[in-house]
Amino acid sequence: KAGVTQTPRYLIKTRGQQVTLSCSPISGHRSVSWYQQTPGQGLQFLFEYFSETQRNKGNFPGRFSGRQFSNSRSEMNVSTLELGDSALYLCASSLVAGADEQYFGPGTRLTVT
Amino acid sequence: GQSLEQPSEVTAVEGAIVQINCTYQTSGFYGLSWYQQHDGGAPTFLSYNALDGLEETGRFSSFLSRSDSYGYLLLQELQMKDSASYFCAVTNTDKLIFGTGTRLQVFP
Repeated sequence: KAGVTQTPRYLIKTRGQQVTLSCSPISGHRSVSWYQQTPGQGLQFLFEYFSETQRNKGNFPGRFSGRQFSNSRSEMNVSTLELGDSALYLCASSLVAGADEQYFGPGTRLTVT
Repeated sequence: GQSLEQPSEVTAVEGAIVQINCTYQTSGFYGLSWYQQHDGGAPTFLSYNALDGLEETGRFSSFLSRSDSYGYLLLQELQMKDSASYFCAVTNTDKLIFGTGTRLQVFP
């Protein structure tokens, strides 16, 4: 069974631009969660989607948004990029919503200059 | 609010035993998970405790005390490949909340 895939793996953007990251969950998994990982803050929860509905959202500004498609693939979008958005963005899939056991993708390393 | 505390770094030698502690404060607690992340890699699930007590999986064991809001990950017979960051995470009614991670360095 293929694992969680994320594209692109690396991205360099400039301040003010927007970016869209993609995540394909493990086949059969209907829940996709997104996390931001930075050296000082660890993994910060962004949001979770289940059956195309945002189930929960973390404490991030409205510039961070996401969606999920009928095939469970998910995208997250960050608008008006700031230097502080530079981070590793991880998505994780699970069979059910709010699961303790999540399967992470390799992440997208976003650098904002 | 919700918070998890774990040591930032732990060092040990090959063959030794190391314990990584995690204390948490959260509402709607369901269970405590542990994840391992090697440098440049993705976090991988290690264990989950919903009930008090010890869960053993090979060289790794995880413990939970709900009354003390405390858990730990025990790694035995340490190997060089165990050098990684270890995150505890709390499952509450809404989502998975991660601690800031403990970096384990294993020396020969």
